Amino acid sequence: EVQLVESGGGLVQPGGSLRLSCAASGFTFSSYSINWVRQAPGKGLEWVSYISSSSSIIYYADSVKGRFTISRDNAKNSLYLQMNSLRAEDTAVYYCARASGGYSSSYWGQGTLVTVSS
Amino acid sequence: EIVLTQSPGTLSLSPGERATLSCRASQSVSSSYLAWYQQKPGQAPRLLIYGASSRATGIPDRFSGSGSGTDFTLTISRLEPEDFAVYYCQQYGSSPPSITFGQGTRLEIK
Repeated sequence: EVQLVESGGGLVQPGGSLRLSCAASGFTFSSYSINWVRQAPGKGLEWVSYISSSSSIIYYADSVKGRFTISRDNAKNSLYLQMNSLRAEDTAVYYCARASGGYSSSYWGQGTLVTVSS
Repeated sequence: EIVLTQSPGTLSLSPGERATLSCRASQSVSSSYLAWYQQKPGQAPRLLIYGASSRATGIPDRFSGSGSGTDFTLTISRLEPEDFAVYYCQQYGSSPPSITFGQGTRLEIK
């Protein structure tokens, strides 16, 4: 069974940093690209970042470019999102999702909540 | 960056009725890169359709996707009680490389 489990969320002050993790199981992690997608409370979905299977291709949304860094460790079946210079508008549930055809996301984790507040 | 506009914002229908949800792009989108998701309260999104018209694994055939260019449609042929949720379209564009979602359509029970 495909599973993606996010962790690392929590309360952080504006300007602070946080590192999210996504642990994958039930599939060959090194063969799949992964997306990070977030959802602010009561709002819609917003794509954050994409990383290819070998980490050779990385994309970011303009809203996080220069502040967030996506990475993966295929030996550990894990994905990461380093978030720096956090702002109130980064408050959201962050999902990792396995990419499939056409950059769609076929499997999603349950999400981890990041709250940026003083 | 391509903007996706979904309509209507809210759709009120009864079980058994047909639902037609629209997703319009600000510029042409490759059909290969258009997807639809369903999200219920407190849950992660679920992929319904990818490549504009291909059903994802395990998705009932009452869900269908169509369209090309700038106009795409998700149709639910006969609504079941479990279909009432929020639906999002999503596209990938290469110039610059980015993924965008529509703002969502809430499908509610009438």
